Amino acid sequence: NAGVTQTPKFQVLKTGQSMTLQCAQDMNHNSMYWYRQDPGMGLRLIYYSASEGTTDKGEVPNGYNVSRLNKREFSLRLESAAPSQTSVYFCASKIAGGDTQYFGPGTRLTVL
Amino acid sequence: KQEVTQIPAALSVPEGENLVLNCSFTDSAIYNLQWFRQDPGKGLTSLLLIQSSQREQTSGRLNASLDKSSGRSTLYIAASQPGDSATYLCAVINNAGNMLTFGGGTRLMVKP
Repeated sequence: NAGVTQTPKFQVLKTGQSMTLQCAQDMNHNSMYWYRQDPGMGLRLIYYSASEGTTDKGEVPNGYNVSRLNKREFSLRLESAAPSQTSVYFCASKIAGGDTQYFGPGTRLTVL
Repeated sequence: KQEVTQIPAALSVPEGENLVLNCSFTDSAIYNLQWFRQDPGKGLTSLLLIQSSQREQTSGRLNASLDKSSGRSTLYIAASQPGDSATYLCAVINNAGNMLTFGGGTRLMVKP
């Protein structure tokens, strides 16, 4: 099992450009999450999907959209990137009714 | 709004020392609390999970305690080793079980 995978690992964008961060899990988990991590601030929840076909806003959803493509995949889209979105983005997943979230390795995004 | 604080932000100790990392949270209505380890450039690995009804959990040299009424948790690391060097994050899960709120982390360095 690969667990939770994220692509790309690194990305540099110019202000106003768009991109999609991809996340996939092979553990048959129901719930998936997107977080961002900024220095000294821990991780903050952007969006989550409790099950296939549902998505909900987290703490910092502005400037982002998500798609739960199927049970395995949950993508995060930046329509018009801003320097404030420079961060490390983590995807996570967990089984329905479970407590532990399993995290991917992260995508380091820089917006110039 | 739940807020999670970790003190100290950074800690450097000689190998072999026992040490305590602190985590406090403002809203005691939590479902459970987790401690994670994060190595540089990597994702998060779950270390210990304490249910809200529990007082502590142990795994090897790690012991985590929870005092829900006072909004505090501690992570005790016995006989620290250089391989323990990492950032340690605590996170609380809300009663709906769908949202993790993270602290800013404690960056630990264990010197040989």
